[in-house]
Amino acid sequence: DVKVTQSSRYLVKRTGEKVFLECVQDMDHENMFWYRQDPGLGLRLIYFSYDVKMKEKGDIPEGYSVSREKKERFSLILESASTNQTSMYLCASSFTGRTGELFFGEGSRLTVL
Amino acid sequence: RKEVEQDPGPFNVPEGATVAFNCTYSNSASQSFFWYRQDCRKEPKLLMSVYSSGNEDGRFTAQLNRASQYISLLIRDSKLSDSATYLCVVTSYNQGGKLIFGQGTELSVKP
Repeated sequence: DVKVTQSSRYLVKRTGEKVFLECVQDMDHENMFWYRQDPGLGLRLIYFSYDVKMKEKGDIPEGYSVSREKKERFSLILESASTNQTSMYLCASSFTGRTGELFFGEGSRLTVL
Repeated sequence: RKEVEQDPGPFNVPEGATVAFNCTYSNSASQSFFWYRQDCRKEPKLLMSVYSSGNEDGRFTAQLNRASQYISLLIRDSKLSDSATYLCVVTSYNQGGKLIFGQGTELSVKP
């Protein structure tokens, strides 16, 4: 069974803390994505990567960075967490040429106090 | 104006009913269209792609109207298990194939 695994389902952090969200996929997908989902705003793309060591900004990259050192792993980093980054974070992956078929992880719900 | 717009609902329907959702998109260069389903507190999952000629998968029918820039999803003979949020997704040539998600339409099927 194909899988996208996110390291933490629920996190509570304090303002100013550094936060790491890890995502691993076992489908040998080239493309990986980080979204956040908020009520009334839907899914918004933060960053994406089409290859190892490659990254592209999405629609809302401010306050975030990413790392893709290995094909199967894509990490989202909040250098200094703020309360407006409280959200559900969803990682996804896909094959090149089938970008419409995203496989999502179960999500990481982050609360920043 | 949002790039992809959906009626958020909720749509409350009885079991066995037929229900239809519409989704409009603003970018005329949009190339590919999809419907995703998201259960409460779960991740989104691809339900079906939407082809120009329209396509059907069991009780689900998807239609595309390029002239009016909308896609639709029809669910026949609704089941309790169809209760979920349905997300409209669009990709565009001039945005590098990036997926744009609508906010979703919530469906609640009652006994």
